[in-house]
Amino acid sequence: QVQLQESGPGLVKPSETLSLTCTVSGAYISSGSYYWSWIRRPPGKGLEWIGYIFYSGSTDYSPPLRSRATISRDTSKNQFALKLNSVTAADTAVYYCAREEGNRLLYWGQGVLITVSS
Amino acid sequence: DIVMTQSPDSLAVSLGGRATIDCKSSQSLLYPSSYKNYLAWYQQKPGQPPKLLIFWASTRESGVPDRFRGSGSGTDFTLTISNLQPEDVAVYYCQQFYTTPRTFGQGTKLEIK
Repeated sequence: QVQLQESGPGLVKPSETLSLTCTVSGAYISSGSYYWSWIRRPPGKGLEWIGYIFYSGSTDYSPPLRSRATISRDTSKNQFALKLNSVTAADTAVYYCAREEGNRLLYWGQGVLITVSS
Repeated sequence: DIVMTQSPDSLAVSLGGRATIDCKSSQSLLYPSSYKNYLAWYQQKPGQPPKLLIFWASTRESGVPDRFRGSGSGTDFTLTISNLQPEDVAVYYCQQFYTTPRTFGQGTKLEIK
């Protein structure tokens, strides 16, 4: 069974960098035609797709976040990560990692709440 | 970017009744080579991650009750929930996979009347 688990600091100060990690079990992030994705949901709002890293290592991002977001991976730890720099209160959200396969997001992490506040 | 627009934003339906949620995309999601519509539906309950219900517009994910039905093609899609149960109270989202960025609809909140 594929499982994903997000981890992160919980609280980030404005203008600093948000760093999140997604640990994957039950599958290898460097094999299979899967897109390892990040999605967020700000409080009171809907879901927003942030971007993904393909099993080959290529990445793609949502245009509004492309200049601030970086998705990377550590295949030795079977983890992928999100860094979002220069955060503001608008980046406060529950952040999810998920696996895209066959044109659907089937496996999701439980999510982690990140609050941007001084 | 493909814009996904859901309607209504919220609705209340009686237990045992039928809920209908529409999703419209700003361009066709029908992929010519596969003849599949690259659209999925999710259900999200408070404190939980989204759960996949439907993919390719009308294929029900394994384990999803057949009360949930997806339909439509091209730019117009519908999620129909029949025989509404208390556990169906949630926010429902559509998402397109035709291209990146993978955009979501704004969500539809379903409540019991």
